[in-house]
Amino acid sequence: GAVVSQHPSWVICKSGTSVKIECRSLDFQATTMFWYRQFPKQSLMLMATSNEGSKATYEQGVEKDKFLINHASLTLSTLTVTSAHPEDSSFYICSAIGTSGSYEQYFGPGTRLTVT
Amino acid sequence: AQSVTQLGSHVSVSEGALVLLRCNYSSSVPPYLFWYVQYPNQGLQLLLKYTSAATLVKGINGFEAEFKKSETSFHLTKPSAHMSDAAEYFCAVSDGTSYDKVIFGPGTSLSVIP
Repeated sequence: GAVVSQHPSWVICKSGTSVKIECRSLDFQATTMFWYRQFPKQSLMLMATSNEGSKATYEQGVEKDKFLINHASLTLSTLTVTSAHPEDSSFYICSAIGTSGSYEQYFGPGTRLTVT
Repeated sequence: AQSVTQLGSHVSVSEGALVLLRCNYSSSVPPYLFWYVQYPNQGLQLLLKYTSAATLVKGINGFEAEFKKSETSFHLTKPSAHMSDAAEYFCAVSDGTSYDKVIFGPGTSLSVIP
């Protein structure tokens, strides 16, 4: 149980284009999802907290107009990197917390984004 | 505010030797503590968690960790390292609020020498 998937697992795009990454909770409903960014050999950096049906809460320093987050249902959150640039290349990981009130986050497998 | 430090960005042990990965936390409230493992190009897998019950927590793959409030530590140990244990390990802290964010430590890369 408690499986989180991400799609795509990797993507290459050209500079200036937009990329959408999906995060799905497959066997539970997630009222809250988190988006993280991870640079090589570094830890996870929280980008934003996404609650179903409301606007995402972004961490300080994260551009909300560049990283658009939508949490339209209890099983799906999307992260759209708009007008991507090479510096946006990174590993993006989502996690989800179920509606049962558990404090445990379940992580997706991550999406490797490369912007050329 | 909560924070996590992990002493040693890289640890090497011989196969069969004791694994000890250090984690210290800072929290203004009783914390929830976690250890996660990450293999290359993969997401995170929960090894174990402390949630104010028993201070010695046993996790998967033979790992365990002990919560020591007086030392604000939550070190991860395994009696005998396997080659498959080579990975990145992250300690994390949360204040226990259901929908609160988790703060991750910088990570420790574990190498196992045959």
